[in-house]
Amino acid sequence: RKEVEQDPGPFNVPEGATVAFNCTYSNSASQSFFWYRQDCRKEPKLLMSVYSSGNEDGRFTAQLNRASQYISLLIRDSKLSDSATYLCVVNGYNAGNMLTFGGGTRLMVKP
Amino acid sequence: DVKVTQSSRYLVKRTGEKVFLECVQDMDHENMFWYRQDPGLGLRLIYFSYDVKMKEKGDIPEGYSVSREKKERFSLILESASTNQTSMYLCASDPDGSSGNTIYFGEGSWLTVV
Repeated sequence: RKEVEQDPGPFNVPEGATVAFNCTYSNSASQSFFWYRQDCRKEPKLLMSVYSSGNEDGRFTAQLNRASQYISLLIRDSKLSDSATYLCVVNGYNAGNMLTFGGGTRLMVKP
Repeated sequence: DVKVTQSSRYLVKRTGEKVFLECVQDMDHENMFWYRQDPGLGLRLIYFSYDVKMKEKGDIPEGYSVSREKKERFSLILESASTNQTSMYLCASDPDGSSGNTIYFGEGSWLTVV
């Protein structure tokens, strides 16, 4: 079983749609959680941290469910510019408390 | 603005060649990392370094080595390249270990081994 698992997609949605991604992690001792965005052939960039109480940043909402060990990202009113791969990232797995990345979920927003 | 620069963006090398991937950061960060990214597998940590001349193995160090002679520079070395090392390589630096919200990535080096 992968340590951080995501549905690879692609999710094809029309502009204006609401779309949600889930990510599951296997280590219950994980401490920190993040969503990164990665555009095609570019480096990953931090989209938002995920806090226990849930948090929102504009059209993006992140939630954490520690009991079920999953993280979600909700995107409202999708824009064409949201098309990218979204990486779920968890801290606290391997030696040195390094970041562990999921395989990513690809989103394609269509006009 | 933090900048992590990977000097070689696209390389094609032959099997058995020695390959150097160079990474330089300009923010005086203590910590530097090398990852590889393959479709569906996410980023996997190869090696990291917390200080000059210091290195630690990540999750997939086999077939790789690193060098950190200066704080700003972290090099990844493939002693004898093989086709299964064809991948995208990402360098990163971070002032706070590996906290997730202060890590900065370079633009990536696309390596093809033929």
